Amino acid sequence: ILNVEQSPQSLHVQEGDSTNFTCSFPSSNFYALHWYRWETAKSPEALFVMTLNGDEKKKGRISATLNTKEGYSYLYIKGSQPEDSATYLCLAGNNRKLIWGLGTSLAVNP
Amino acid sequence: NAGVTQTPKFQVLKTGQSMTLQCAQDMNHNSMYWYRQDPGMGLRLIYYSASEGTTDKGEVPNGYNVSRLNKREFSLRLESAAPSQTSVYFCASSYLTGQNTEAFFGQGTRLTVV
Repeated sequence: ILNVEQSPQSLHVQEGDSTNFTCSFPSSNFYALHWYRWETAKSPEALFVMTLNGDEKKKGRISATLNTKEGYSYLYIKGSQPEDSATYLCLAGNNRKLIWGLGTSLAVNP
Repeated sequence: NAGVTQTPKFQVLKTGQSMTLQCAQDMNHNSMYWYRQDPGMGLRLIYYSASEGTTDKGEVPNGYNVSRLNKREFSLRLESAAPSQTSVYFCASSYLTGQNTEAFFGQGTRLTVV
């Protein structure tokens, strides 16, 4: 059974704080992991696709790491801003199917 | 159940030729994706469509266009093929609800540009 878990479920931080959250997935037959940023009523924005163990990707203040051997990825946001408030979704799996996590809902207070 | 169907399975193009890769899903999924897979590069997202009527660029959109023709179909077009576009292309589809749902891949299209 392929199960993708994200933690925490929700997070409240103050503007300027740095934060991170986790996506866990089965490490056997790993194929790919995506991170998406999804604001309510908007189309989700693809942040990163990672496939290789040790991958690190960065986009502005957001970065992600991948550990396929232990089955996790971290998403980091440096100096959170109110516009970072969104749900961050992880999609991971093998070469037959990918599974969405339930998301981490981030709220950044000004 | 057909799932995600891609056509063609194999294609050889000459540099400068154009072609369209077709993808269809019968699972009533709202999101569809096009990837390319290259040795040592892993899987890279070209374009995706979160819902009917929307398309967005992924990591490597240059040289490609997409059309979300309807909820079932998402096509990928190469207007002027280049050898750098030699790759294996995968289409996938999923619901996008934040629930623990699945995305399914098609069988792949092996494209060679000479």
